[in-house]
Amino acid sequence: AQSVTQPDIHITVSEGASLELRCNYSYGATPYLFWYVQSPGQGLQLLLKYFSGDTLVQGIKGFEAEFKRSQSSFNLRKPSVHWSDAAEYFCAVGPSGFQKLVFGTGTRLLVSP
Amino acid sequence: NAGVTQTPKFRVLKTGQSMTLLCAQDMNHEYMYWYRQDPGMGLRLIHYSVGEGTTAKGEVPDGYNVSRLKKQNFLLGLESAAPSQTSVYFCASSRDRSYEQYFGPGTRLTVT
Repeated sequence: AQSVTQPDIHITVSEGASLELRCNYSYGATPYLFWYVQSPGQGLQLLLKYFSGDTLVQGIKGFEAEFKRSQSSFNLRKPSVHWSDAAEYFCAVGPSGFQKLVFGTGTRLLVSP
Repeated sequence: NAGVTQTPKFRVLKTGQSMTLLCAQDMNHEYMYWYRQDPGMGLRLIHYSVGEGTTAKGEVPDGYNVSRLKKQNFLLGLESAAPSQTSVYFCASSRDRSYEQYFGPGTRLTVT
């Protein structure tokens, strides 16, 4: 069965610093990969997705993610973090598209002044 | 255009009571989903529907029932609530299996 691992429960980054959130997946083939963000008290919003093609994917709010097949990873990056980026970030795997997504346990991002 | 809405936002139940959570979407989406979110466990799929009149089990369906009588609504029922069902419940919808899921704001349910 497919699974998603987000090894960092919490990460604190200074405003203006760069960010990388880790995501590793376990699946027999190349799945569809997603990053969602959840602001406090809100539902989830899709940041970006990877289906195929260019392994560097651009998303909303200045985020990008890179798919590395050899490492089974799909890490999320942002070059300069803003205080409004403080939220919880979820990586997800969809073996057949968006149906029946499997989510990681999330990484809570804290942004310090 | 409200997107995905959920009713109620908060609810407290006693063990053994029943309730229904309502999810409504105004985007004419075919697919709808119910998830539960628990600390340290991410989101887990309870049930989903690929169209009006259809439902299917997800990862954690036990103790829940669903119905999709109208395309825009997806109801999640708890017939006999248990403390283990204390959670935040999210509804989502998507145009079809290849499009992103849009999430509602969630319902926080506490079972005492």
